[in-house]
Amino acid sequence: DAKTTQPNSMESNEEEPVHLPCNHSTISGTDYIHWYRQLPSQGPEYVIHGLTSNVNNRMASLAIAEDRKSSTLILHRATLRDAAVYYCILSGANSKLTFGKGITLSVRP
Amino acid sequence: GAGVSQSPRYKVAKRGQDVALRCDPISGHVSLFWYQQALGQGPEFLTYFQNEAQLDKSGLPSDRFFAERPEGSVSTLKIQRTQQEDSAVYLCASRPVWTYNEQFFGPGTRLTVL
Repeated sequence: DAKTTQPNSMESNEEEPVHLPCNHSTISGTDYIHWYRQLPSQGPEYVIHGLTSNVNNRMASLAIAEDRKSSTLILHRATLRDAAVYYCILSGANSKLTFGKGITLSVRP
Repeated sequence: GAGVSQSPRYKVAKRGQDVALRCDPISGHVSLFWYQQALGQGPEFLTYFQNEAQLDKSGLPSDRFFAERPEGSVSTLKIQRTQQEDSAVYLCASRPVWTYNEQFFGPGTRLTVL
């Protein structure tokens, strides 16, 4: 499985935008880029996924580099409830998700 | 609607005991996954079912781990002769169709082996 690289942690202020980066230089042409987040004592929660084009949904936006070797998850206005571990995952045809350690997002009030 | 449920939520076992962990996926979801999450780590894949067929069990750490989904709905993860290193949160996820759609995770079962 192709590997992703994320910073260990990031801090943000409430109601400000947050950009969470992810590098995936070994991505293959059929790999989708998924983002999940995990709040304390809960199972992971799907955030967004994409293949080549930028994607928007009610939770976030996903900006994918033209060469697909990196992507950025954008939370437009961080809230305290967004404090979680965010995982950037590449998922190919075999369907399983290979989580790394993720990035821990802290949100300051 | 109801999400993925898992039971029990917490399980304490003495070393050497057998345990069974249950997962009730979202109704109609074809795919079911089991993951193991050690403290401070991301979840790690254990096994995958499509309906009742176990298509991938490459992540099961030893032959003490066994999973089944006999009727293509409820799944059970069984761990025989538990060891301390089996202590972890066991997560179940389901997915509606054979696509890249999102996986819906349950709350997990926290297993502590003494």
